[in-house]
Amino acid sequence: AQSVTQLDSQVPVFEEAPVELRCNYSSSVSVYLFWYVQYPNQGLQLLLKYLSGSTLVKGINGFEAEFNKSQTSFHLRKPSVHISDTAEYFCAVSDLRTGFQKLVFGTGTRLLVSP
Amino acid sequence: EAGVAQSPRYKIIEKRQSVAFWCNPISGHATLYWYQQILGQGPKLLIQFQNNGVVDDSQLPKDRFSAERLKGVDSTLKIQPAKLEDSAVYLCASSAAGTGWPQHFGDGTRLSIL
Repeated sequence: AQSVTQLDSQVPVFEEAPVELRCNYSSSVSVYLFWYVQYPNQGLQLLLKYLSGSTLVKGINGFEAEFNKSQTSFHLRKPSVHISDTAEYFCAVSDLRTGFQKLVFGTGTRLLVSP
Repeated sequence: EAGVAQSPRYKIIEKRQSVAFWCNPISGHATLYWYQQILGQGPKLLIQFQNNGVVDDSQLPKDRFSAERLKGVDSTLKIQPAKLEDSAVYLCASSAAGTGWPQHFGDGTRLSIL
């Protein structure tokens, strides 16, 4: 069965600094990968997704992620964060065996941006 | 387009009581999901519907949880009787038919069990 590991439960960073949130997955077949953001008391909002093609994926709010098949990683990056980026970020995977519809989520990384 | 609607936003009940949550997906979305998100964890899929049929309910505690999606549109998730460990946010999501279409989430129902 597939699984997702988000190595950092919390990442503190100063405003305008770059940030990387790490995500590793485990699956033996072709995968789709997603990053979602969750603001307090809200549902999850899709940031970006990798389905196929270019391994560098650009999403909303200036975020991007790179799919690395050999390292089974899908790290999320932003070159300069804002206070408004403070939120919980979830990496998720779906794979060919489940028809790509069943998402398995990581435990989340809380990004804390301070002035 | 209107997003996924859920109600109520908050619910507080005592253990052993029953509770129901309602979800209206994005218009035209054939697939509907219910997730349980316990504090500090990622969402866990409870049940997935394709139109009004169940695709996956392998992680649904069927002795106390039930869900239905009559007419293939809105859906209700019920817990009866509730246990303390059911305290969580219950998220509903929907997606268009076909592979690769992202899931769109509602704001969830926060359930507290006393």
